[in-house]
Amino acid sequence: AQSVTQPDIHITVSEGASLELRCNYSYGATPYLFWYVQSPGQGLQLLLKYFSGDTLVQGIKGFEAEFKRSQSSFNLRKPSVHWSDAAEYFCAVGDLTGGFKTIFGAGTRLFVKA
Amino acid sequence: EADIYQTPRYLVIGTGKKITLECSQTMGHDKMYWYQQDPGMELHLIHYSYGVNSTEKGDLSSESTVSRIRTEHFPLTLESARPSHTSQYLCASSPQWNGDEQFFGPGTRLTVL
Repeated sequence: AQSVTQPDIHITVSEGASLELRCNYSYGATPYLFWYVQSPGQGLQLLLKYFSGDTLVQGIKGFEAEFKRSQSSFNLRKPSVHWSDAAEYFCAVGDLTGGFKTIFGAGTRLFVKA
Repeated sequence: EADIYQTPRYLVIGTGKKITLECSQTMGHDKMYWYQQDPGMELHLIHYSYGVNSTEKGDLSSESTVSRIRTEHFPLTLESARPSHTSQYLCASSPQWNGDEQFFGPGTRLTVL
């Protein structure tokens, strides 16, 4: 069965430091991959998505992610974190079987310290 | 800009009450979803719809029901709320053609006493 694993429940980084959030997926074919962000009290917002082509994907708010098929990974990165980036981040995979549903990971909560 | 609305944002009710959580979107999207979200857990799909008069159960068993009479409206109903229904409920929508990128509402936080 398709699944998404985010190994880190929470991460703390200093403002201005770089960030990498890990995501591993299990899927039989080329996946559709997403990263969403959820600020407190809000719904999820799409940061970026990968369908095909260039494996390095640029998103909003200065985020990027790299698809590595050999590692079944889709890690999210940002070179310099801002305090406003503190939120919950969800990796997701699009399941093309059975009508295209999205499977979400459990999320990684990012704390940013001054 | 994505416009998807959920009301109420917060709801505290007693056991046995019937409730309806409202979700509306103004983007004309065909696909709509309801997710249940608990702290530290992945989102669980409880219902979805491909369009008007289409409703399907998701992966997580739920005692709730949904309807899709109009494209823009996808309400979720609990006939008799129980404490186990306490959770955050997120509504989302997506157009059929773009690989299921989803647009989310702000959520309804439900507490059943």
